[in-house]
Amino acid sequence: DGGITQSPKYLFRKEGQNVTLSCEQNLNHDAMYWYRQDPGQGLRLIYYSQIVNDFQKGDIAEGYSVSREKKESFPLTVTSAQKNPTAFYLCASRVTSGREWEYEQFFGPGTRLTVL
Amino acid sequence: AQSVTQPDIHITVSEGASLELRCNYSYGATPYLFWYVQSPGQGLQLLLKYFSGDTLVQGIKGFEAEFKRSQSSFNLRKPSVHWSDAAEYFCAAGYNFGNEKLTFGTGTRLTIIP
Repeated sequence: DGGITQSPKYLFRKEGQNVTLSCEQNLNHDAMYWYRQDPGQGLRLIYYSQIVNDFQKGDIAEGYSVSREKKESFPLTVTSAQKNPTAFYLCASRVTSGREWEYEQFFGPGTRLTVL
Repeated sequence: AQSVTQPDIHITVSEGASLELRCNYSYGATPYLFWYVQSPGQGLQLLLKYFSGDTLVQGIKGFEAEFKRSQSSFNLRKPSVHWSDAAEYFCAAGYNFGNEKLTFGTGTRLTIIP
């Protein structure tokens, strides 16, 4: 089955440590996204990538970093510079064909990060 | 600035009753519009989307939404809710060109009572 996998589902880290969240898709999608979700704030875009080896900052990129070395993978690193990293993180992907009926983002199951 | 507003943070509906969740957008031109649903601790699932044409859009699980340009709205409806519809619902908007980002509303949590 095609889809998006995120691992781990739950992640606990000590304050000051960097942590990397995994996102893999086998949908052959070009574009991938990382969102942060906090209660009552909806989804906020952290980073996105429309093609391999290229990515752009979203609305809340400070304290985060990403890489896109392979089409199917888009890992997110939460660095120690992120002041309040405890949140639910969602990865998404979509085709970039330009055909409007294909314009939707598919989401992974999420990773809940708790910083102690 | 582009924005999506969901004015209702929490709605409680009796099982079998009708449902309407509100969504308003503020964009320079008509964007593509989406409704997603999220169960606790899970990812988002697309319910339906509007990009052009017929303003009444049918989705999965018996949901529909109506696009009203004059009101900048895209409200989600269901004629009869089931207990399994309890979840959080997000409205989103975006353009299919340029940076292709989606803007999400803050969500509406739906509780179903017997």
